[in-house]
Amino acid sequence: GAVVSQHPSWVICKSGTSVKIECRSLDFQATTMFWYRQFPKQSLMLMATSNEGSKATYEQGVEKDKFLINHASLTLSTLTVTSAHPEDSSFYICSARSSYLQSNQPQHFGDGTRLSIL
Amino acid sequence: AQKITQTQPGMFVQEKEAVTLDCTYDTSDPSYGLFWYKQPSSGEMIFLIYQGSYDQQNATEGRYSLNFQKARKSANLVISASQLGDSAMYFCAMREGHLEGAQKLVFGQGTRLTINP
Repeated sequence: GAVVSQHPSWVICKSGTSVKIECRSLDFQATTMFWYRQFPKQSLMLMATSNEGSKATYEQGVEKDKFLINHASLTLSTLTVTSAHPEDSSFYICSARSSYLQSNQPQHFGDGTRLSIL
Repeated sequence: AQKITQTQPGMFVQEKEAVTLDCTYDTSDPSYGLFWYKQPSSGEMIFLIYQGSYDQQNATEGRYSLNFQKARKSANLVISASQLGDSAMYFCAMREGHLEGAQKLVFGQGTRLTINP
């Protein structure tokens, strides 16, 4: 079945560091990928929709200068958390849909990235 | 207003029993889709089952079935013959619209299911 790979799975870094997270669709092309954030014991909150070849669409309240999204190819989207601070510590998870799937097909999720900022 | 509501923060069920996880939704769009995902403690999101708003029959996938009551705007997940491996968080999600661009998923708060041996 469709596979989405997310890397790294776990990051610990110092405050002020920028962290890049990659999301790849391994066996299908994805014109659209989604980035979610999940705090402990909470639900997934959509941060932004990443569109191949164009600017990402950010949800209300998400700082686009803080969370940089690049979707340079049909199989790769990256999320960069710039100048990360402890409050940015969270579980970040991406998802993707094949360009050729009908609208009733599910999004396929990566395994997520646990980000801890010290 | 919450678009997806899961009213059960936690459920405890004996192994081999059936369990129903509740989900209600709110939309004015006649075309929408409802999804259930399972999230184990490791964090990955596992797709379980889908129900489209125009589907005439309730969706089924193995031990999973969806009790879709359109008039009540509910889409409850039923897991038959529960297993210890079913212990996880379960999320109900909705996609509104049918156009190619209408792909955003909105998630409920989740239900933590614990299967007791």
